[in-house]
Amino acid sequence: QKEVEQNSGPLSVPEGAIASLNCTYSDRGSQSFFWYRQYSGKSPELIMSIYSNGDKEDGRFTAQLNKASQYVSLLIRDSQPSDSATYLCAVDFAGTYKYIFGTGTRLKVLA
Amino acid sequence: KAGVTQTPRYLIKTRGQQVTLSCSPISGHRSVSWYQQTPGQGLQFLFEYFSETQRNKGNFPGRFSGRQFSNSRSEMNVSTLELGDSALYLCASSLVIGGNEQFFGPGTRLTVL
Repeated sequence: QKEVEQNSGPLSVPEGAIASLNCTYSDRGSQSFFWYRQYSGKSPELIMSIYSNGDKEDGRFTAQLNKASQYVSLLIRDSQPSDSATYLCAVDFAGTYKYIFGTGTRLKVLA
Repeated sequence: KAGVTQTPRYLIKTRGQQVTLSCSPISGHRSVSWYQQTPGQGLQFLFEYFSETQRNKGNFPGRFSGRQFSNSRSEMNVSTLELGDSALYLCASSLVIGGNEQFFGPGTRLTVL
């Protein structure tokens, strides 16, 4: 089992819709969770961090964390074509201080 | 505040050569991590430096090494380059070690011929 898993996609959503991106992780001791956005040919850009169970909202983005079920998700409301990118989930495995990245989900927002 | 800077942005080397990449973190950030990104393997952790000490290491051979200076700037060295080392090398900085938000530089694109 991979340590951090994401569906590679592409996930296609129409403009204005909600995009839902999911990530599961294997280590129950993980404490810190991050979502990054990476445009083609660019470096990852931090979107959200979340540390506690529940939801965290920042503008059009909402991160959701469920440690019991070992998943973290990212919702993008009112999706725009400019949101088309690869979204990377990263988990900081407790005790190791190593960030493990998923392989990313490619999102395509159709105008 | 200036972001993370990496030099050079592009490098072309031949097999057997060695290469040194440089990273300057965000001002005030003391932790620098290095990652290798390839289409097949995604983002893979190489190592992390904090206060001039390597605090964590990924599963890469000893040909990959690094160091951090007292001003938090970091260098990564790859010796005896192999074709499979062709990748985007990313540096990320964070305030302190472990569990903190990391901010990535633009990366160095290394091509090994």
